[in-house]
Amino acid sequence: AQTVTQSQPEMSVQEAETVTLSCTYDTSENNYYLFWYKQPPSRQMILVIRQEAYKQQNATENRFSVNFQKAAKSFSLKISDSQLGDTAMYFCAFHITQGGSEKLVFGKGTKLTVNP
Amino acid sequence: KAGVTQTPRYLIKTRGQQVTLSCSPISGHRSVSWYQQTPGQGLQFLFEYFSETQRNKGNFPGRFSGRQFSNSRSEMNVSTLELGDSALYLCASSSQGYTQYFGPGTRLTVL
Repeated sequence: AQTVTQSQPEMSVQEAETVTLSCTYDTSENNYYLFWYKQPPSRQMILVIRQEAYKQQNATENRFSVNFQKAAKSFSLKISDSQLGDTAMYFCAFHITQGGSEKLVFGKGTKLTVNP
Repeated sequence: KAGVTQTPRYLIKTRGQQVTLSCSPISGHRSVSWYQQTPGQGLQFLFEYFSETQRNKGNFPGRFSGRQFSNSRSEMNVSTLELGDSALYLCASSSQGYTQYFGPGTRLTVL
């Protein structure tokens, strides 16, 4: 079974600093997708970044980047120049395809607080 | 394009009642998935629909059901509500590119 583990329940960072959120996963699949989603207090789940497992290059989206280590099954998210608006729950998710169907398996989340 | 919309945003029901939640996907998206989010269990997959067919279902009792219409809009129904059904219900849609885009959710409170 595919599982996703986020070992940091809570983290805090000062505005303008850099923070890294950890995520590990377990799968026997070779081709898959990984995602980071952000859920601010408004509860809207927002896509932050996506990584295809077959791509060796780490994905980046503006201030957000990932460190994808396929052999180690690790998928960490780095937020540079943290902003107050980055305060949110961050979920790491693994995309599963089963017999034509698809679903996401989520980690428990990391609550990130950006302090002024 | 307009994002995923969910109605209603908030709902209060009592035990034993039933409830129907609605989700309109992003235009052109044919896959709709539903998730339940609770503080204790986190985010759990309920079911996925594609072209009016349920392709997958999570580990939830039969009280949870859903359907999808020809315009890809989806509804989920929970019958005989229990206190433990109080949760945020999230709907997500995707095309065939694997990325799921979420709606704002429906907050269900069961009293």
